[in-house]
Amino acid sequence: IQLTQSPSSLSASVGDRVTITCRASQDINSNLGWYQQKPGKAPKLLIYGASTLQSGVPSRFSGSGSGTDFTLTLSSLQPEDFAAYYCQQFKSYPWTFGQGTKVE
Amino acid sequence: EVHLVESGGGLVQPGGSLRLSCAASGITVSSNYMSWVRQAPVRGLEWVSVLESGETTYYADSVKGRFTISRDNSKNTLYLQMNNLRAEDTAVYYCTRINRDSTWHYDYWGQGTLVTVSS
Repeated sequence: IQLTQSPSSLSASVGDRVTITCRASQDINSNLGWYQQKPGKAPKLLIYGASTLQSGVPSRFSGSGSGTDFTLTLSSLQPEDFAAYYCQQFKSYPWTFGQGTKVE
Repeated sequence: EVHLVESGGGLVQPGGSLRLSCAASGITVSSNYMSWVRQAPVRGLEWVSVLESGETTYYADSVKGRFTISRDNSKNTLYLQMNNLRAEDTAVYYCTRINRDSTWHYDYWGQGTLVTVSS
């Protein structure tokens, strides 16, 4: 299953609303997670099940979608949110990641 | 508190071997699905392998036949034996736990260990 994220990078300012999309090459129901990665660090889980916020993650992050089209939204970008974001599917092997979106 | 600590990375020549280790605390490796994920320099994330709690294993096509995932229950440690290494295996390798409570997701990650394949 291929996951295609868009855009691959975006430029935004603090306070902006940011939307990242992830499209799956086939139906993955809600078996999608979103991860944030900062340089030199391991990825951090933000959203699982397409829309469930991981404990401890700020509520400005939200996820939506099912089937093949998914969205990660940051309602008001904060300085600590400048990072790379990846979607990932567990519907079937091989588990795959999107190519990433860098928020600059 | 859960901690996953990888070790064993380093510089190896093409065709060589390395064994990565992931020492776990706060969780029992044998009761969980544990996975390796890698990230090549300035590249995205790639799933490598999974060891299910029942000992079933799966591998990415890119490593099948060369890598072997295993665990030592007495040491609560996950391993990745990597043989016949290629330049394209150069990456940071992360050990992860798969949470299966509801919709599956990677909830715990190690800090990563760097593998460099070069002559």
